[in-house]
Amino acid sequence: AQKITQTQPGMFVQEKEAVTLDCTYDTSDQSYGLFWYKQPSSGEMIFLIYQGSYDEQNATEGRYSLNFQKARKSANLVISASQLGDSAMYFCAMREGLTGRRALTFGSGTRLQVQP
Amino acid sequence: EAQVTQNPRYLITVTGKKLTVTCSQNMNHEYMSWYRQDPGLGLRQIYYSMNVEVTDKGDVPEGYKVSRKEKRNFPLILESPSPNQTSLYFCASTQTGDPHQPQHFGDGTRLSIL
Repeated sequence: AQKITQTQPGMFVQEKEAVTLDCTYDTSDQSYGLFWYKQPSSGEMIFLIYQGSYDEQNATEGRYSLNFQKARKSANLVISASQLGDSAMYFCAMREGLTGRRALTFGSGTRLQVQP
Repeated sequence: EAQVTQNPRYLITVTGKKLTVTCSQNMNHEYMSWYRQDPGLGLRQIYYSMNVEVTDKGDVPEGYKVSRKEKRNFPLILESPSPNQTSLYFCASTQTGDPHQPQHFGDGTRLSIL
C-alpha cells in the first residue's frame, strides 16, 4: 500500500490566488512527521513546512500552511497568494517512528503551474 | 550558512569507471542519507548513517557503497557504475533520526552512465 498518496499530478492556479495540494498518508506509528518539499525545475529539494503527529495546531510558514486532519490522515498544503516563482513540483513526505531507517517516504508529487 | 554540499553537480561517465559523489554538511548533524530520484519511481533511499561509523542499507543499496569516517562527510561510491544508475542523487542530513526533524537536502547530482 502507498504510504503517501498525492492524487493531483498537475495543478494550475492564477497568480495571487490560493491553491491546495492534497496529500494523504498511511502509518500505524503514533510518532511521525509530515513534510512538504518544493522541487523547482533546477532540481534542488527545498524544505517548506513540517507538521508533527502530536501537533494540535496546523503548521504555518509565511504563505504556506498545512491543513492537518489526523483522523482522515491527510496533510494538505495550502499556498496563499500564489506567485510565478511557486511553479514547481511539490512533494509530500513522511518520516515515521522511533526505530528503523528513519527514511523520508515521498509521494509521487504534484506539478503546480502558476499562470499570470 | 547551514548547508549540505554535494559534488559534482553533474557528471557524465562510462560504464565500469569508479566514481565518488561527495556530500558534506556543516550543521553537526548525526543522521545522513542518500536518495536517488527516478521518473515514475520517486525518491528512494539508498543508504543512511545514524552516526560516525554507523551505516546501513536503504531501499535500493545494490551497486553502491558508503562510508562515514567523519561526522560531516558521507560519500557515495559507485565502484562499477552501470547505465541503470543514471539518476538524480540527493544527499540529506538531519540533527538526529527523530522523525519530527526535516531532512535538509543538497542541490543534487545528475549522473549519466553511458
